[in-house]
This record gives sequence, structure tokens and C-alpha cells, in this order.
Amino acid sequence: DVKVTQSSRYLVKRTGEKVFLECVQDMDHENMFWYRQDPGLGLRLIYFSYDVKMKEKGDIPEGYSVSREKKERFSLILESASTNQTSMYLCASRGPPGANEKLFFGSGTQLSVL
Amino acid sequence: KNQVEQSPQSLIILEGKNCTLQCNYTVSPFSNLRWYKQDTGRGPVSLTIMTFSENTKSNGRYTATLDADTKQSSLHITASQLSDSASYICVAPGGGTASKLTFGTGTRLQVTL
Repeated sequence: DVKVTQSSRYLVKRTGEKVFLECVQDMDHENMFWYRQDPGLGLRLIYFSYDVKMKEKGDIPEGYSVSREKKERFSLILESASTNQTSMYLCASRGPPGANEKLFFGSGTQLSVL
Repeated sequence: KNQVEQSPQSLIILEGKNCTLQCNYTVSPFSNLRWYKQDTGRGPVSLTIMTFSENTKSNGRYTATLDADTKQSSLHITASQLSDSASYICVAPGGGTASKLTFGTGTRLQVTL
């Protein structure tokens, strides 16, 4: 089975700090995604990447950036954390075309910005 | 605008009882609809996928249905167990890429003794 690992389950940061969320997948998937999940809003796409060093903005990219230097690793960066970025962050990877868009998710990182 | 709406928002049932979760979608073009189960504090895990030509599919005690005419899908859970307590999320792609997935807000199911 695909394993998607997020480096932290819980993080507490202060307003203005730079925050790095790391995600690693072990199935050589080309596509990787970052979502945030808030109560009542469902999952919202922040950024995705379809290849090393390639990235595309999702629906809510403001205040975030990403890095994909290696195929297995996709990092989400909060340049200057704000309280409205308190959320559950989920990383996902997806197999090749024809896989019916099945996503494999990490366990999530619950980020609190104080 | 692509939309996926789920009902009810939350549900409490006794262990051993059956329940049905609903998903209404407005996605174009439609290709498939997937149900995920998300345990508290975990990422979603795929339960099943319904393609355009399928009406019913079972995965153990979970049975999904799809009615392409009414644009509705349901997830029926038989003989519920405490481990079924989770959020169930309905997802449909639009435009043929995962970047355009539309997620429902989920149904939170609690199974009690």
C-alpha cells in the first residue's frame, strides 16, 4: 500500500513565524497535493505538483508556497503564519492517469497559530 | 459551478443498526464519484468508487449506489460497528484532473452502544 507520511501530527506556532510542513510518499507518484480542512468547509486545495520542481496553484494559495525538489517529497511553506491559517493540513499523492483520481492521504498536521 | 452536497451533516446510531448517507452532485463532465472514510485525526481513505455505468457496488458492509439521472449517490452501512464512527466524504472530479476534485463537507457518523 502507498504510504504518505507527514512529518508532524501537531504543531503550535506563533503569528509571523515561518512554518514548514513536510510530506513524503513512497510509491513514486508524480502528483502530490496539499489541502486544508476546516469544519463545515470540506477539503480545499492549496497547491499541487505534477512533477519535480513543477507546481500549480489551487483554490486558496494565498499565504502559502510549496517546494518539490525531489519526487517523493512535497513541502508546504507558510511564509508568515497568521491565526487564520490554523487548520488541519492534509498531504496527498495520486497514481498515474487511469487511476480514477484516487488520492492517498497522509495522517494530517493539525496546525495552531497563536 | 461544480458542487457536492452531503446529508445529513451528522448522524448518531446504535451499534448494529443500518444507516444511509446521501450525496448530491452537480459536476460536469461527470466521470466518477468516490467515497472516503476519515477517522478522527487521520487522513481520508478511499472506500469505493462509482463510475458512470455502475448502479451498485458493495465493499463488505458498505454498499454504494449511484443514480446518474438524479445525480445522487448513497452509502449504506449495514450492521454498524463502533469502528464505523468517522466522517464520510463524497468526492467527484470535474475536468478530468485531480486538481479539480470537488469535495463534499462530509457526514459525521457516530455509532454508540
